[in-house]
Amino acid sequence: GAGVSQSPRYKVAKRGQDVALRCDPISGHVSLFWYQQALGQGPEFLTYFQNEAQLDKSGLPSDRFFAERPEGSVSTLKIQRTQQEDSAVYLCASTEVSNQPQHFGDGTRLSIL
Amino acid sequence: DAKTTQPTSMDCAEGRAANLPCNHSTISGNEYVYWYRQIHSQGPQYIIHGLKNNETNEMASLIITEDRKSSTLILPHATLRDTAVYYCIVISAGKSTFGDGTTLTVKP
Repeated sequence: GAGVSQSPRYKVAKRGQDVALRCDPISGHVSLFWYQQALGQGPEFLTYFQNEAQLDKSGLPSDRFFAERPEGSVSTLKIQRTQQEDSAVYLCASTEVSNQPQHFGDGTRLSIL
Repeated sequence: DAKTTQPTSMDCAEGRAANLPCNHSTISGNEYVYWYRQIHSQGPQYIIHGLKNNETNEMASLIITEDRKSSTLILPHATLRDTAVYYCIVISAGKSTFGDGTTLTVKP
């Protein structure tokens, strides 16, 4: 389909492992956003890209979290030395320009054991 | 960043209008109000957005007060499939701040 695609859909990892979550935005969309959603809560902003430039990373909870978008298309969110509190759904969204409606993927559900 | 407040939950009878309120008293003049909804296990779905004028599309209507400090999302004829969490957000410089939204339950 033509929507935002995220993979994997589910990820289970042991505490201390590194994980990488992938987001394929809608083709041609300039802006890309990552959110973290804990159970029963609304999405919380993590970081925002415009093309390959990371314009805002104020929401990343620690230096264990790292996001990149090297060619201005696909983005990867990496979490190093995972901890149990990292368990959440990670959502990706893209938009043509930053103040237009964001199109969301269905997220990656991360469970840290 | 402008923040929003919404009631935690609301019920609505099937076929009736659902009116979901949102307060955004700290909104700036060039910030838009957006509404999304989220059904379990899916990503948020865009519904509608506006700046200062009322807006209507095939899904809903958005009424924004003249002072822009609050808005109401109207689903004119709610169906069971409209049961979801509804988020009102204000976007500032690309960054979106979601609250915990309103859980709307449409009852037969």
